Amino acid sequence: DIQMTQSPSTLSASVGDRVTITCRASQSISSWLAWYQQKPGKAPNLLIYRASSLESGVPSRFSGSGSGTEFTLTISGLQPDDFATYYCQQYSTYPWTFGQGTKVELK
Amino acid sequence: QLQLQESGPGLVKPSETLSLTCSVSGVSISSNNKYWGWIRQPPGKGLEWLGSIYYSGRTNYNPSLKSRVTISVDTSKNQFSLNLRSVTAADTAVYYCARIRSAPYAVGWFDPWGQGTLVTVSS
Repeated sequence: DIQMTQSPSTLSASVGDRVTITCRASQSISSWLAWYQQKPGKAPNLLIYRASSLESGVPSRFSGSGSGTEFTLTISGLQPDDFATYYCQQYSTYPWTFGQGTKVELK
Repeated sequence: QLQLQESGPGLVKPSETLSLTCSVSGVSISSNNKYWGWIRQPPGKGLEWLGSIYYSGRTNYNPSLKSRVTISVDTSKNQFSLNLRSVTAADTAVYYCARIRSAPYAVGWFDPWGQGTLVTVSS
């Protein structure tokens, strides 16, 4: 299985901060990576697919980059609604696997 | 607008079979190039892909479930289902169904998701 490792596990930030979350794959997954946001008690919500394609309706302050084994999700100007847990997911190879999550909390 | 809704028992006894249904509205489940899947999340933990089914009935499963899982489609009801056999407490989780998005040369990101349903395995 391809292991997806996110860092950090928890990130403390303030409104307006630029936030970067990293996701590393245990082997190359080309650009077959998605990012999700999950709020407590809710289902995950798709933010980014194919590493850098912004899902329709998602604010432009979210962006994704990377290819191969290293990827980043950046939030440019953190908003109150952005405090949540973020997951990466690879769909290059079965079984599809997720990172362990990064919780973005208020500093 | 595409919507998915999970349903099924919230409590299952150890060694029995967990059965859930995902009702799809807003699109025909048997439309061309439609994939559907199940994901679970133990309380306080991360996400695990369980398996997926193509509109034609072709399936892919997570080997970690050791052949305990079956996913099927009922086109007459516009639903797809999950059966997980021989459950233990480790199968306690919120179970989500989702559409699996695809594009040329790639398939495998989830959108949208159902709201999820908590299944507890306990005697």
